Amino acid sequence: KAGVTQTPRYLIKTRGQQVTLSCSPISGHRSVSWYQQTPGQGLQFLFEYFSETQRNKGNFPGRFSGRQFSNSRSEMNVSTLELGDSALYLCASSLEEGASTEAFFGQGTRLTVV
Amino acid sequence: AQSVTQLDSQVPVFEEAPVELRCNYSSSVSVYLFWYVQYPNQGLQLLLKYLSGSTLVKGINGFEAEFNKSQTSFHLRKPSVHISDTAEYFCAVSETGGGNKLTFGTGTQLKVEL
Repeated sequence: KAGVTQTPRYLIKTRGQQVTLSCSPISGHRSVSWYQQTPGQGLQFLFEYFSETQRNKGNFPGRFSGRQFSNSRSEMNVSTLELGDSALYLCASSLEEGASTEAFFGQGTRLTVV
Repeated sequence: AQSVTQLDSQVPVFEEAPVELRCNYSSSVSVYLFWYVQYPNQGLQLLLKYLSGSTLVKGINGFEAEFNKSQTSFHLRKPSVHISDTAEYFCAVSETGGGNKLTFGTGTQLKVEL
């Protein structure tokens, strides 16, 4: 069974640009969550999608957005990139929605903003 | 809102010695508790989880953790570490009714030395 796939693995963008990251969850999983990992702030929750609906949102500015498609694949978008957006972005997929459901993480997309 | 505290940012230990990584949490509702491990340039892998029942939880790679409700702690232990256990370890909580959102601690870097 294939794991969570995130593309691309590495990305370099310039300040002011926008970027789209992709996440394909484990087959059959319907929930996808996104996290930002930085040395200074650690792992922070961005948002959660279940059945194409955003169920939960973290404390990030509106420049960060996401969506989920009918096949459960998810994308997140960051507009007007800032240097501080440089981070490892992790996607996690879960079978169902629920606090006790195990989350399986992808290897992440490392975004560098220059 | 829930929070997680990992007091030790780094823990050096010799191979075959025992280790304990500390985790304390704060929440106003019932929580589920998790320990994840992250190897360099990788995503997160679940080591173990506490959902309910026995307070002593056994996980992969010989790790175990004990849930202590009165002390709001969930410390991770291994009786004998190996060089391959060198990695960063994250404690996380999810709240009942909070969907799949995980709140992470700041992580503990475990360095196993010969």
